Amino acid sequence: EAAVTQSPRSKVAVTGGKVTLSCHQTNNHDYMYWYRQDTGHGLRLIHYSYVADSTEKGDIPDGYKASRPSQENFSLILELASLSQTAVYFCASLGEERNTLYFGAGTRLSVL
Amino acid sequence: GQQVQQSPASLVLQEGENAELQCNFSSTATRLQWFYQHPGGRLVSLFYNPSGTKHTGRLTSTTVTNERRSSLHISSSQTTDSGTYFCAIDDDTNAYKVIFGKGTHLHVLP
Repeated sequence: EAAVTQSPRSKVAVTGGKVTLSCHQTNNHDYMYWYRQDTGHGLRLIHYSYVADSTEKGDIPDGYKASRPSQENFSLILELASLSQTAVYFCASLGEERNTLYFGAGTRLSVL
Repeated sequence: GQQVQQSPASLVLQEGENAELQCNFSSTATRLQWFYQHPGGRLVSLFYNPSGTKHTGRLTSTTVTNERRSSLHISSSQTTDSGTYFCAIDDDTNAYKVIFGKGTHLHVLP
């Protein structure tokens, strides 16, 4: 079974602080994704990556950076956290053998 | 870019009733998936169905590619079916950019 692990599971951050969300997959998948979920908006794509050391912008990249140091790891970085970035963040990897996204359990981020 | 519309936004059923969830998209999709999310939980893939009809248990997914629509049918609903159902498709310019609809919130009453 494909596995995607996110850390931390929840975090409280202060406005203006730096936040790093981590994602690790053991699926040997090339594609990885970061989404945020807010009530009424479904899931919105922030950044994605198809190979180590390369990232692509999704639909709402402003205020976020991404880093893919290896095939297994994909991080989302908030350099200056803001109140509007309070949300649940999901990481996923894409398995081409079944064309299916596999999701992590999510990280609940509260910016105060 | 690709637009995804799901309907209805929310649905309340009595246990045992059937449900029909709709997903409409603006451009041709080569990857179409349906996901289920329990409140506050992980998303679980239900179907990968870019075209045709697929069944699993009480769930049926039907995608009509040239009409840019997909449906998810839930028969004999149960309280454990409550949650949010998402449709996800690839962007029309990039097959690996996967975007989601806003979901259908389903509540099944006992």
